[in-house]
Amino acid sequence: QKEVEQDPGPLSVPEGAIVSLNCTYSNSAFQYFMWYRQYSRKGPELLMYTYSSGNKEDGRFTAQVDKSSKYISLFIRDSQPSDSATYLCAWRGIQGGSEKLVFGKGTKLTVNP
Amino acid sequence: NAGVTQTPKFRVLKTGQSMTLLCAQDMNHEYMYWYRQDPGMGLRLIHYSVGEGTTAKGEVPDGYNVSRLKKQNFLLGLESAAPSQTSVYFCASSPRQGYSGNTIYFGEGSWLTVV
Repeated sequence: QKEVEQDPGPLSVPEGAIVSLNCTYSNSAFQYFMWYRQYSRKGPELLMYTYSSGNKEDGRFTAQVDKSSKYISLFIRDSQPSDSATYLCAWRGIQGGSEKLVFGKGTKLTVNP
Repeated sequence: NAGVTQTPKFRVLKTGQSMTLLCAQDMNHEYMYWYRQDPGMGLRLIHYSVGEGTTAKGEVPDGYNVSRLKKQNFLLGLESAAPSQTSVYFCASSPRQGYSGNTIYFGEGSWLTVV
């Protein structure tokens, strides 16, 4: 089983739609969960991070973590063309005394005006 | 604030040539990383460092070497470039886990083509 699975998309939605991006993971050592946004030909930038189960909101973005199911989601409300980017989920934790940091492969999102 | 700065941004190499990518961070971070990103493969960790003078192998270390002589700099070297090393390279830095929200900051990327 892969440590992290992320639907690669691509995902295309109309402006104003609610977008749901999802990842699953298999390693219980993961403690911190992050979502990154990457515009074309740019480096990833942190959108949100959390370390507990439940929801965390930041403007139009909501990160949801379910540790019991090993499932994380990012919801984007009232999506805008400027949200068009690749979204990467990421985990960080300690395993065997060493830090482990894992990224999903990314989901490409296009929001059409 | 500069954050994480990578140089050069673009480079074309001939097979067999050597080069060094430089990463500099001004946030006093302990950890630094080098990733490569290829279509359909996502970010893959090449090497990383948990402090000045230390380095460790990541997922795809073959063909690369690194050095962290100063805390703020992390160098990635290609001794004999191969076409398979054509990629976008990202440097990143972060504080130790558990500090400052565990944020990992990325540079803007270095586009390398080996012909």
